Amino acid sequence: EVQLLESGGGLVQPGGSLRLSCAASGFTFSSYGMSWVRQAPGKGLEWVSTISGTGDSTYYADSVKGRFTISRDNSKNTLYLQMNSLRAEDTAVFYCARMKGFWSGRGWFDPWGQGTLVTVSS
Amino acid sequence: EIVLTQSPGTLSLSPGERATLSCRASQSVSSSYLAWYQEKPGQAPRLLIYGASLRATGIPDRFSGSGSGTDFTLTISRLEPEDFAVYYCQQYGSSPLTFGGGTKVEIK
Repeated sequence: EVQLLESGGGLVQPGGSLRLSCAASGFTFSSYGMSWVRQAPGKGLEWVSTISGTGDSTYYADSVKGRFTISRDNSKNTLYLQMNSLRAEDTAVFYCARMKGFWSGRGWFDPWGQGTLVTVSS
Repeated sequence: EIVLTQSPGTLSLSPGERATLSCRASQSVSSSYLAWYQEKPGQAPRLLIYGASLRATGIPDRFSGSGSGTDFTLTISRLEPEDFAVYYCQQYGSSPLTFGGGTKVEIK
């Protein structure tokens, strides 16, 4: 069974940093692109970032470019999101998701993890 | 950026009824690269449809997707109690990847 388990969320002050992790199991992790998608409270879904299976290619939404860094450790089957210079508007549940039909950073998401809540507030 | 507009915002229906959800794109979605997801409170989103009309593994056949270009539809032929949820469309034909704002299907 494919499983994705996020961790690392919490309360952080504006301007602060946080690193999210997503532990994957049940599939050949290095064969798939992986993504982060977020959902602000009461709002819709927003794609954040994607990384290729090898880690060589990364893609970001304009809203996080230059502040967030996606990475992966294929030896540990783990995806990461380093978030710096956090703002109140970054408050959201962050989901990791496996990419299907992946090419040039594009594809659909299947499956999704349960999410981890990031709250940016003073 | 392709903007996806979903309508209606809320659909009030009874179990057994047919649900028709719309997703309209601001420009043509290449090769019908459109997916639909279901989200329930406290749960992760679940893939229903990809390629505009292909059902994901394990998805009941009462869910169907159609459309091309700028107009796409998700149809639930007969609503089951577990189908009351929020539904999102997502395009992956161009970057950045974008989602619609969602349609809530609620019990009438």
